[in-house]
Amino acid sequence: GAVVSQHPSRVICKSGTSVKIECRSLDFQATTMFWYRQFPKQSLMLMATSNEGSKATYEQGVEKDKFLINHASLTLSTLTVTSAHPEDSSFYICSARDPSSGRVNYNEQFFGPGTRLTVL
Amino acid sequence: AQSVTQPDIHITVSEGASLELRCNYSYGATPYLFWYVQSPGQGLQLLLKYFSGDTLVQGIKGFEAEFKRSQSSFNLRKPSVHWSDAAEYFCAVGPAYSGAGSYQLTFGKGTKLSVIP
Repeated sequence: GAVVSQHPSRVICKSGTSVKIECRSLDFQATTMFWYRQFPKQSLMLMATSNEGSKATYEQGVEKDKFLINHASLTLSTLTVTSAHPEDSSFYICSARDPSSGRVNYNEQFFGPGTRLTVL
Repeated sequence: AQSVTQPDIHITVSEGASLELRCNYSYGATPYLFWYVQSPGQGLQLLLKYFSGDTLVQGIKGFEAEFKRSQSSFNLRKPSVHWSDAAEYFCAVGPAYSGAGSYQLTFGKGTKLSVIP
């Protein structure tokens, strides 16, 4: 199956700094990637949808200036948490859609292993 | 709006016992249904998925799920649970085709499974 990686797996940073998280599709080209946030013992909440070569679409309530998303290539999307604060501490998970899996328009998504962000 | 309900927050079963995790969904178009498993501190692993065809789908690790349109349910089952199955299980629903709109998946709140040796 398709493989999605994330880097780093965990990061600790000081309040006020920015952190970049990478999401890569290793063996397929992902036209669409998704970024989720998961609070402890809770479900995944979609933050934004990232389409290669265009601006990301953010979900209601997600600050686009705080969570910068760049999908510069078909295999890489990045999430930058700017001026991080302790309340941004969370588990961030990306997924990538593989348009080549089966039917062209099939909604087949593959998830990365997640990134644990801790802001001190 | 689409939604997923997993009514059981936490289930505890003995090793070797059977398991059923419930999932009910609300979706206006043709749904694409998933079950994922998440171990602590890890990402999501796909157990199985359903789009069309046989309503009883087989997945990895001995799991299966049955789609019941009349009940808007997609319950996950395993005949004999192993201690390694202890984890968090998420049901999700999304559009099957791009023509249905975005590809957004909506997740349930999860069911934590504990296994007693």
